[in-house]
Amino acid sequence: NAGVTQTPKFQVLKTGQSMTLQCAQDMNHNSMYWYRQDPGMGLRLIYYSASEGTTDKGEVPNGYNVSRLNKREFSLRLESAAPSQTSVYFCASSEFQAAFFGQGTRLTVV
Amino acid sequence: ILNVEQSPQSLHVQEGDSTNFTCSFPSSNFYALHWYRWETAKSPEALFVMTLNGDEKKKGRISATLNTKEGYSYLYIKGSQPEDSATYLCAFFSGNTGKLIFGQGTTLQVKP
Repeated sequence: NAGVTQTPKFQVLKTGQSMTLQCAQDMNHNSMYWYRQDPGMGLRLIYYSASEGTTDKGEVPNGYNVSRLNKREFSLRLESAAPSQTSVYFCASSEFQAAFFGQGTRLTVV
Repeated sequence: ILNVEQSPQSLHVQEGDSTNFTCSFPSSNFYALHWYRWETAKSPEALFVMTLNGDEKKKGRISATLNTKEGYSYLYIKGSQPEDSATYLCAFFSGNTGKLIFGQGTTLQVKP
């Protein structure tokens, strides 16, 4: 079982570059989430999608955009990366039960 | 703004000690309270999903209680072992928005 698959696992960007983090789940879940993890701050919600075709802002949406391409896929885009976006990013999916997480993307912006 | 608070932030105990952590959350628009265990360099994994006021759940030496009226949940670990060392996260699932908001976590270190 693949569960939640995130790509890439690691990425280094220069300030101002753009990139898209990909996330796909094979559990037929309606809800998908993007979080960032910073030391001492747990997981902070960037954007979420409660169902296919809908997306909503979370706690820290500035500097990010998302696309819920279909029920399986939910991508996170950084249009112009900034050093403050250096973090570990997690995608998750759920269906009114426990969330399942991808393995994370470690992003460094220099 | 949904505020989910966990305490303490970190905890160091000896092997065999019992310990507990607290999670406080909004009492309105409650749908579920989740507990996750997060080991270093891995992804969070669910321990419990709790939905009813007064719920108690148990998995081995770990148990959790839920009070939705006052907005808190406790996680208990009985007889801590070094392999229990991890960060424990709680998350509030809002029934009206579908948001899943996490607390900052409690990092437990169990010394042999």
